[in-house]
Amino acid sequence: DGGITQSPKYLFRKEGQNVTLSCEQNLNHDAMYWYRQDPGQGLRLIYYSQIVNDFQKGDIAEGYSVSREKKESFPLTVTSAQKNPTAFYLCASKATGSYGYTFGSGTRLTVV
Amino acid sequence: GQQLNQSPQSMFIQEGEDVSMNCTSSSIFNTWLWYKQEPGEGPVLLIALYKAGELTSNGRLTAQFGITRKDSFLNISASIPSDVGIYFCAGLLGGSQGNLIFGKGTKLSVKP
Repeated sequence: DGGITQSPKYLFRKEGQNVTLSCEQNLNHDAMYWYRQDPGQGLRLIYYSQIVNDFQKGDIAEGYSVSREKKESFPLTVTSAQKNPTAFYLCASKATGSYGYTFGSGTRLTVV
Repeated sequence: GQQLNQSPQSMFIQEGEDVSMNCTSSSIFNTWLWYKQEPGEGPVLLIALYKAGELTSNGRLTAQFGITRKDSFLNISASIPSDVGIYFCAGLLGGSQGNLIFGKGTKLSVKP
């Protein structure tokens, strides 16, 4: 079955450490997105990529980095520069010409 | 960035009651989407609307694309406990790159 997979589901890290969240899709979608979700804040766009080897900053890119070396993969690194990294992170993808996003099941990152 | 005003922020209802929520904006949208997010999971697309005035149903859910193209409504009839979750509206601005703009969500709680 085609889908979008985020791993791990839960992640704990010490303050000051970088951490990378995985997002893989086998839907053959061109566009991929990373969102951050905090209670009552809705979904805030971190980074997005419309095509391999290209990506753009979203509304809250500071303290995050991404890469898009393969169509299927769009990993997100939460760096030590991110002041408040504890949140629920959602990855999504979209086929060219369609409007709806397909979301992964999310990664809950807790920094202690 | 652009904003979608989604209301109400939360709802506590009795099983069997009908539910209404809406999203409004000062901008014109070409597409409206409604998603549902269950606890600890990613949002799932419920209904997509592509034309002003369009009314679309999905089981007990009915959504409408406002005539002014600046708003959309979602109704849930005869609510059941499994309707609990956060409902998000999302819109696509005309002339945009294709990035959806999300409302902050309506959290629905259903008492059996």
